[in-house]
Amino acid sequence: DTGVSQDPRHKITKRGQNVTFRCDPISEHNRLYWYRQTLGQGPEFLTYFQNEAQLEKSRLLSDRFSAERPKGSFSTLEIQRTEQGDSAMYLCASSFRTGEGFYGYTFGSGTRLTVV
Amino acid sequence: SQQGEEDPQALSIQEGENATMNCSYKTSINNLQWYRQNSGRGLVHLILIRSNEREKHSGRLRVTLDTSKKSSSLLITASRAADTASYFCATDRGGKSTFGDGTTLTVKP
Repeated sequence: DTGVSQDPRHKITKRGQNVTFRCDPISEHNRLYWYRQTLGQGPEFLTYFQNEAQLEKSRLLSDRFSAERPKGSFSTLEIQRTEQGDSAMYLCASSFRTGEGFYGYTFGSGTRLTVV
Repeated sequence: SQQGEEDPQALSIQEGENATMNCSYKTSINNLQWYRQNSGRGLVHLILIRSNEREKHSGRLRVTLDTSKKSSSLLITASRAADTASYFCATDRGGKSTFGDGTTLTVKP
């Protein structure tokens, strides 16, 4: 296992276009998280899945954002009708969590989105 | 707003010196984690301390947690130029973690 993979690494899109990002987590992990990070800030929680179920979605996530994790494997994050304010690094992380067993997140390298 | 707040925002030291950064938070937590992020990269997990632990060590890292003061500190001993990065604390509650805005550490050779 090579860790958490995110694709693409960089995406430049025009305002109003739709974009989709992919995340492949560590296969043994049961939880997958999406965070967004802007320059000089810490990661902001967007949503997370346990297996294929989306357990929580941040109020930051407008209706233009949707995330899926079919069959509890990889995940996609889609942003429709992109706006300049969506420009950020989108980070995916996975973890194994059960009861009290949690040992931290493994993050991918992120997808940097620039909306022009 | 973020749950955790790191202090200082920026820290510049000479190689070989120790670096201490602090994290304060507002609500009860299950655990607290520290991560490192090199410029333009993803975050790397450094250490996790549970709410019933007070101190933890990993190599040159020492983390303390004071739940009565709702604060944690990360000490990096004998710093190296390669330690230059941003360091974030994350507090775990309700199945997810909330990150602060980080401390930017610069270690000068």
